[in-house]
Amino acid sequence: QQQVKQSPQSLIVQKGGISIINCAYENTAFDYFPWYQQFPGKGPALLIAIRPDVSEKKEGRFTISFNKSAKQFSLHIMDSQPGDSATYFCAASKHGGSQGNLIFGKGTKLSVKP
Amino acid sequence: KAGVTQTPRYLIKTRGQQVTLSCSPISGHRSVSWYQQTPGQGLQFLFEYFSETQRNKGNFPGRFSGRQFSNSRSEMNVSTLELGDSALYLCASSLDWGGATEAFFGQGTRLTVV
Repeated sequence: QQQVKQSPQSLIVQKGGISIINCAYENTAFDYFPWYQQFPGKGPALLIAIRPDVSEKKEGRFTISFNKSAKQFSLHIMDSQPGDSATYFCAASKHGGSQGNLIFGKGTKLSVKP
Repeated sequence: KAGVTQTPRYLIKTRGQQVTLSCSPISGHRSVSWYQQTPGQGLQFLFEYFSETQRNKGNFPGRFSGRQFSNSRSEMNVSTLELGDSALYLCASSLDWGGATEAFFGQGTRLTVV
C-alpha cells in the first residue's frame, strides 16, 4: 500500500519557469511533511518541511503548499535554475513513538533546460 | 559540523555472503535510521535505533539487522545476500527518535550483489 503518492514522475521546465510537484497522502495521522532533493551519487538532502498547522511555507525560491482537507501538499520551485535539476522526494511521518519513520513518495526527476 | 558519514561508499558481494555497513551520525544526534533505495521500490524504511535500542522496524526479512553503539554509531548487517538486495543503503541521523526532529541523510553505501 503506497501511503504517499507523488506526481509527476518526471518534469521538464525551462530556466526561469515554475516547477510544481504534487503529493497526496492517505494517513490522516501524518503530521510532518518534508521535501528532499537528491543529486546523482548523493544522499537525499532536506529542502523544506511543513507541519499541518500552516497552509504554506516559503524558503527562498522553494514553497510548500499544504491542503489538509484534501490530504495533499505540493512543492513549488520559483525561477527554476539548471542547478535545480535533481530528483525530488516528498515524505510524510507521524512524529512521536514507534511509527515515526518517513514514508516517501516515488520521486520526481526534474530537468531544468537552459 | 561534519555530516552523516557512511562507509564504505561502494561494495560488491557475492550471493550468499553477508555484509556490514557503517554509519556515523552527526555529532550530538542520537537517532540513526536506515533506508533502502532501489529504482523499483524507491526509499523504504528498514529500522531506527536510539540509545542503542531498536525503536522501529520496517517490513524487511530477518536477514536485515542492525545495532547501535554507545557513541551513537550504527551498523547494519545483511546476511545470506540475494541479488535483490542490490541497492543504495542510506543512513539518516536525528537528534531524537520517532520522527520528532529533522532527519539528515548520508551519501549512502552502494551495494551490488553478483
